[in-house]
Amino acid sequence: GAVVSQHPSRVICKSGTSVKIECRSLDFQATTMFWYRQFPKKSLMLMATSNEGSKATYEQGVEKDKFLINHASLTLSTLTVTSAHPEDSSFYICSARHPTSGDYNEQFFGPGTRLTVL
Amino acid sequence: GQNIDQPTEMTATEGAIVQINCTYQTSGFNGLFWYQQHAGEAPTFLSYNVLDGLEEKGRFSSFLSRSKGYSYLLLKELQMKDSASYLCATMDSNYQLIWGAGTKLIIKP
Repeated sequence: GAVVSQHPSRVICKSGTSVKIECRSLDFQATTMFWYRQFPKKSLMLMATSNEGSKATYEQGVEKDKFLINHASLTLSTLTVTSAHPEDSSFYICSARHPTSGDYNEQFFGPGTRLTVL
Repeated sequence: GQNIDQPTEMTATEGAIVQINCTYQTSGFNGLFWYQQHAGEAPTFLSYNVLDGLEEKGRFSSFLSRSKGYSYLLLKELQMKDSASYLCATMDSNYQLIWGAGTKLIIKP
């Protein structure tokens, strides 16, 4: 149990286009999902916390209008990178907090999406 | 402020034992996690400690000392497939994960 999927796994797009990344919890309902960005050889950087039915909470320095997050259902959160530029190229990872993971509210990670903007 | 420190890189020999240390200073503490991450893949959960002491799980063990803000991950009987980055992360009072930069572990035959 506790599987999180992401789609697509890889995407290459032209500069100026928008890209949508989906994160799904397959066998549990996740009221909270997280979006991370990871640069090569760097740790994960939390971009935003996505709460079902409410606006996402963005971390300092993350542009809300650039990275649109929608958590419309208990099993789906989407991240849209709008007007993508080469500097947005990165590895984007989502995670979902399992509601009954015991004492530590474990986060389960999706496999990640490699975005390359040409 | 919040800060997590772990070595950038370590090298060990196949079959040996290696200890990866992590020190932390965070606002609020709801436990410490260790994750393994292979290149190009998402992190996978290894261990969780919230009380002081040693948690053993097969070849991997994790230790926590809350008073010292210190943890380590111990890997025994190293295998080549253990070559990966090992991420230390603490969970703060809002149940968010604060990540260390990761330790790249290189296993040599």
